[in-house]
Amino acid sequence: DAGVTQSPTHLIKTRGQHVTLRCSPISGHKSVSWYQQVLGQGPQFIFQYYEKEERGRGNFPDRFSARQFPNYSSELNVNALLLGDSALYLCASSPRGNPVEQYFGPGTRLTVT
Amino acid sequence: GDSVTQMEGPVTLSEEAFLTINCTYTATGYPSLFWYVQYPGEGLQLLLKATKADDKGSNKGFEATYRKETTSFHLEKGSVQVSDSAVYFCALTLEGYQKVTFGTGTKLQVIP
Repeated sequence: DAGVTQSPTHLIKTRGQHVTLRCSPISGHKSVSWYQQVLGQGPQFIFQYYEKEERGRGNFPDRFSARQFPNYSSELNVNALLLGDSALYLCASSPRGNPVEQYFGPGTRLTVT
Repeated sequence: GDSVTQMEGPVTLSEEAFLTINCTYTATGYPSLFWYVQYPGEGLQLLLKATKADDKGSNKGFEATYRKETTSFHLEKGSVQVSDSAVYFCALTLEGYQKVTFGTGTKLQVIP
């Protein structure tokens, strides 16, 4: 079975631009979470969606938003990009809303110049 | 708030050496504890987990025991291999929470 997939793999954007990152969960998984991993740090929780509803939000500004589609795939949107948004963005899926059983994708590397 | 503290790296070991990576946590309830591994250029993989006190998680020769009295979840392996070179993250989640809280990671380098 395919694991969690994310696109694109790498992305370069300019300050002030907008970016959309995409994630497809493991088949049958209904929950998707997003994490930001700055170089040299552990991942930081951004959002969790379960059954197309937001169930959790981390300490990130309103420039960050997300949604989950009827097929359980998800998008993370970031507006007005800052240099500090440069990071690896990880998506994780789980069968239910409980993150105890969570599987991560390979991530999208975003560079903001 | 909830947090995870793990030992600073990098840790450099010779092949077949014994590995310990220390992890302690602070939590307002009874967390589930995890070790994740991240190989260069890849996402996170769950290495092992323990969901209640005194549980021992194990996988691929790695072990960690959930110690409630010392709020610790140290990672151990008896004989490391070059292929174990990676960054290891200790993490926790609480019942009813939607997020996993990660430590800052410990880089392990195993030399032949």
